[in-house]
Amino acid sequence: AQTVTQSQPEMSVQEAETVTLSCTYDTSESDYYLFWYKQPPSRQMILVIRQEAYKQQNATENRFSVNFQKAAKSFSLKISDSQLGDAAMYFCAYRRETSGSRLTFGEGTQLTVNP
Amino acid sequence: DTEVTQTPKHLVMGMTNKKSLKCEQHMGHRAMYWYKQKAKKPPELMFVYSYEKLSINESVPSRFSPECPNSSLLNLHLHALQPEDSALYLCASSHPQGKDTEAFFGQGTRLTVV
Repeated sequence: AQTVTQSQPEMSVQEAETVTLSCTYDTSESDYYLFWYKQPPSRQMILVIRQEAYKQQNATENRFSVNFQKAAKSFSLKISDSQLGDAAMYFCAYRRETSGSRLTFGEGTQLTVNP
Repeated sequence: DTEVTQTPKHLVMGMTNKKSLKCEQHMGHRAMYWYKQKAKKPPELMFVYSYEKLSINESVPSRFSPECPNSSLLNLHLHALQPEDSALYLCASSHPQGKDTEAFFGQGTRLTVV
C-alpha cells in the first residue's frame, strides 16, 4: 500500500522569507502523480501544485515550487516570498496512475506566517 | 467554472434525525467523492462515484447513504448518526481517468451530531 509521510506537523516562517515543507512517500509503482494541497481556515482544499512522476523537471507555480527526487521518494514544497495568506494546513498527496483520482494524503503540516 | 458547491455549510442534527448533504459541480467531471475530515487530520475517503455508479465504498457504516442522481449532483443521506460522526464532510470531483484528474474540492459541510 502507498503511504505518504509529512514529518513536520508545524512550521513557521517570517513574511517575505522562504520555507520548505517536506514529504516522503512509499510506492512500488512507476507511474503516479504527487500533489500539494492547501487548506486555509476557510476549509476548502485548494490545489497548489502537481508533479507527474514521469517528468524529471520540477513543477513550479509562481512562488511555489517542488523538489521532486524520484529515487529518494521525496517531494518537498518550497514557498518563496511567503505571504500572510499562505498560512494554512498543507497536505501532500499521492495518486496512482491507474486509480482515477483516489488520493492518499499525508498527515499535514500547519504553516504559520509571522508578520 | 471550477467550483464545487456544497450545502449546507453548517448542520447540527440530533441522533434520531434524517438529513442530507448536497454537492454540485458543473465542470463536466464524471467522478465525485465524499471525504470525512476530523480536525487537524487529512481527509478520509468515504465513497467514490464514477460515471454515476458507486465504485468505491470504504466500509462506511450504513447510516451514511450516498446518492448520485446525475453527473452534476452528489448527495449524502444521513440517518441515526452518532456524536463521533461530527466532522467536516468534503465533496470533490474530477475527471475519472487520464492525466488531468486532480480533484477539486468544495468548502465542506461542518456537521455536528448532538
